[in-house]
Amino acid sequence: GQQLNQSPQSMFIQEGEDVSMNCTSSSIFNTWLWYKQDPGEGPVLLIALYKAGELTSNGRLTAQFGITRKDSFLNISASIPSDVGIYFCAGQQGAQKLVFGQGTRLTINP
Amino acid sequence: SAVISQKPSRDICQRGTSLTIQCQVDSQVTMMFWYRQQPGQSLTLIATANQGSEATYESGFVIDKFPISRPNLTFSTLTVSNMSPEDSSIYLCSVGQGGAGANVLTFGAGSRLTVL
Repeated sequence: GQQLNQSPQSMFIQEGEDVSMNCTSSSIFNTWLWYKQDPGEGPVLLIALYKAGELTSNGRLTAQFGITRKDSFLNISASIPSDVGIYFCAGQQGAQKLVFGQGTRLTINP
Repeated sequence: SAVISQKPSRDICQRGTSLTIQCQVDSQVTMMFWYRQQPGQSLTLIATANQGSEATYESGFVIDKFPISRPNLTFSTLTVSNMSPEDSSIYLCSVGQGGAGANVLTFGAGSRLTVL
């Protein structure tokens, strides 16, 4: 079945640093989503991407839908303590179900 | 987007028992989805619950182990039957946003089950 390779698996950064994570697949997707999960909570949608090449921002977050439709990245600028959590990418092909990446666990040192 | 309430938020269960998780949505939705998130892992779809029909299960998940009810367009339950420690996970209910964002899922806060 479809699989998403998300990297890195974990990141340890200093407050104020920029963060970059990405997802790749051998399959083409027509939707890419980025979620964040805080401890004890369900994933919350950060950004949704629907077109190849699309670049979308949400505050300090920026995500892009790769031109090949097989990848997406998420950047966080000037990280703050509340950015700590697990970030998941998710992709969908046609009417098929969402496929989730393995997650990137972000830890921030103050 | 929809607001989803799940109960219980967490529970500690004994091996061999069953537990039913409830999911309530503040609006009518056609499809509700049940996911499992094992410790430190990603989200895996268990089944899709449609109102008025049997749930559709993903490979590796069966109705006898995870029976699902969908009595109306705002409510669903997932039962984890005959639990073992391997069933210790977070179980998440989700719904699509509808319209152009139909494939964008909104999740409940999850039900964290620990099986002893």
